Amino acid sequence: GDSVTQMEGPVTLSEEAFLTINCTYTATGYPSPFWYVQYPGEGLQLLLKATKADDKGSNKGFEATYRKETTSFHLEKGSVQVSDSAVYFCALREAAGNKLTFGGGTRVLVKP
Amino acid sequence: DVKVTQSSRYLVKRTGEKVFLECVQDMDHENMFWYRQDPGLGLRLIYFSYDVKMKEKGDIPEGYSVSREKKERFSLILESASTNQTSMYLCASMVVGVGANYGYTFGSGTRLTVV
Repeated sequence: GDSVTQMEGPVTLSEEAFLTINCTYTATGYPSPFWYVQYPGEGLQLLLKATKADDKGSNKGFEATYRKETTSFHLEKGSVQVSDSAVYFCALREAAGNKLTFGGGTRVLVKP
Repeated sequence: DVKVTQSSRYLVKRTGEKVFLECVQDMDHENMFWYRQDPGLGLRLIYFSYDVKMKEKGDIPEGYSVSREKKERFSLILESASTNQTSMYLCASMVVGVGANYGYTFGSGTRLTVV
């Protein structure tokens, strides 16, 4: 089945630093990638997504580009804030179905 | 906005009890899912359902069952709770669509402690 690998955390940054979280996957066919964010004590929220190769998803200053050739969907933000402290999950929707496979999550802590 | 509501945020149950976790969505979504989230293990799929009265096993169904009698409600049942089922349980729903990339909408989660 599909699998998603993302960098382990925790990642600790200072405010206004650059954030990147790597995500790579193995899958058959043409899956669709997502990033979800989980703030403390809450469920997961959709952060951004992409539909086809070279699509760039963006939201709240975060960006990720779907690279089929490297099977990757790395998340980036140019200047993080304390409020970005959360756990970030990379996920992949299978090519022929409706299930999502999640990576292990990366905890990000932004210090003032 | 789609809303997915899980009936309890926190639950404490005793070993051997039968436990029901309820999930309701308000947007007529066909697909519903139950995951558990554990530190270091990420999200693991327990069961999912594509329609009323339909259910499919996920990756870790042992010790669980589900019920979907109405489209909006998907219940997770722990037949006889054990301490290794202490976890955060997340319900999600998703619409079925063609030509668009739909993701899940998650509930806020139920943190279950089995003592």
